[in-house]
Formats: sequence, structure tokens, C-alpha cells
Amino acid sequence: AQSVTQLGSHVSVSEGALVLLRCNYSSSVPPYLFWYVQYPNQGLQLLLKYTSAATLVKGINGFEAEFKKSETSFHLTKPSAHMSDAAEYFCAVSRMDSSYKLIFGSGTRLLVRP
Amino acid sequence: ETGVTQSPTHLIKTRGQQVTLRCSSQSGHNTVSWYQQALGQGPQFIFQYYREEENGRGNFPPRFSGLQFPNYSSELNVNALELDDSALYLCASSVGTSGSSQETQYFGPGTRLLVL
Repeated sequence: AQSVTQLGSHVSVSEGALVLLRCNYSSSVPPYLFWYVQYPNQGLQLLLKYTSAATLVKGINGFEAEFKKSETSFHLTKPSAHMSDAAEYFCAVSRMDSSYKLIFGSGTRLLVRP
Repeated sequence: ETGVTQSPTHLIKTRGQQVTLRCSSQSGHNTVSWYQQALGQGPQFIFQYYREEENGRGNFPPRFSGLQFPNYSSELNVNALELDDSALYLCASSVGTSGSSQETQYFGPGTRLLVL
């Protein structure tokens, strides 16, 4: 069965500092992995996705993530945090059976200090 | 914006009532999925519809039901509301057939339901 674990329910960084949000997955088959962002009182917006084409995936707003099979990880990074990055971030794995539902982690709230 | 719209944005109901939430998919998308997001948690898969047929279901009781219409818009119906049904309900549309697990799901802004 597939699952996702996000380490750290809250991460706080200073503006301009490196952002690192951790995601580990469990999957018996090659996974498809996604990062979504949710701003307050809004739905989910896709940041990036991994579909086996390349292990380093670049997304919107300067975010990127690296798929590491040996570590079963798909951590999200951004070199320099901006105040507008403050939001909730969700890692998800796509499960393939009769449907392709997304299985989400519990989320990490990113706080950016001025 | 994704082009996925949901209505209403907010809703207050009392325990035991029934509710219908609506979703309009992004143009060209034939698949819709519904998720429940309780406060402080990640979204949980309720069910998915593909070309008007249910195409997978999560661990939700039968009082959660849905419809997809020929124009691919969708409804989520919840009967006999319970306090624990209070959550943000998200719909997501996508293109693809069953098994297309790499397809991106595009989410609407959600409907926040409060059950008193």
C-alpha cells in the first residue's frame, strides 16, 4: 500500500533562507509523486510532480524536488524563501488501482519570518 | 486559477440534514475526484467519477454519494450529516482513463461545511 510521511508539521525560516520540506513515501511500485501548496482558505495548487522522466523536478515559484529512490524521499526545496511562500504544503503519491486517487501526507505549514 | 469551480463556498447545516455540493470541472476534463479535508489534516479521497460512472471509492460510508453529469460537472451528496462531517470538501478534475495515475488533478477552491 502506498503512503506518505511529511516530517515536521511546522517549519519556520527567515526570509531569504533555504526552504526544505521533507517527504518520504512508501510504495510497492514506482510512484508518481506530487507537491501541492494551499494558501489560507483556498484549494490546492500544484507545485510540481514526478513521473519518472527526471529525478530533479522543477516547479513553479522557484521550488524544486529531487526523487531519491534509495531514500524513498521526495523533499521540496527553494533556495531563498519569500514572505509569499508562507502556506501549507502537501506531498502526495498517486495510487494506481481502479482509479488514480491521491494519497496525501498530513501537511507542513511553512512560516517565513521577516 | 485552475478553472475548477465549486459552490457554495460556505455552508452551515445541522446534524441529520442532507447537503449537496457542486463542482464544475475544467474544460476538457472527463474525470472528477472528491476529497474531504478535516481541519489540520491532508485531504482524504472520497470517490472518483469517470464518464458518469463511479471509478473508485475511499473509506467513506454509503451516505456519501455522488453524480457526474454529461457535461462532466459533478455533485457530492451527504445524507444524515454528522458533526464529524464538518470539513473542507475539495473537488479535483483531470483528464484520463482509469489507471492514468500520473495525470495531474486540478483542485477547486473547496466548500467549507460546518455541521452543528
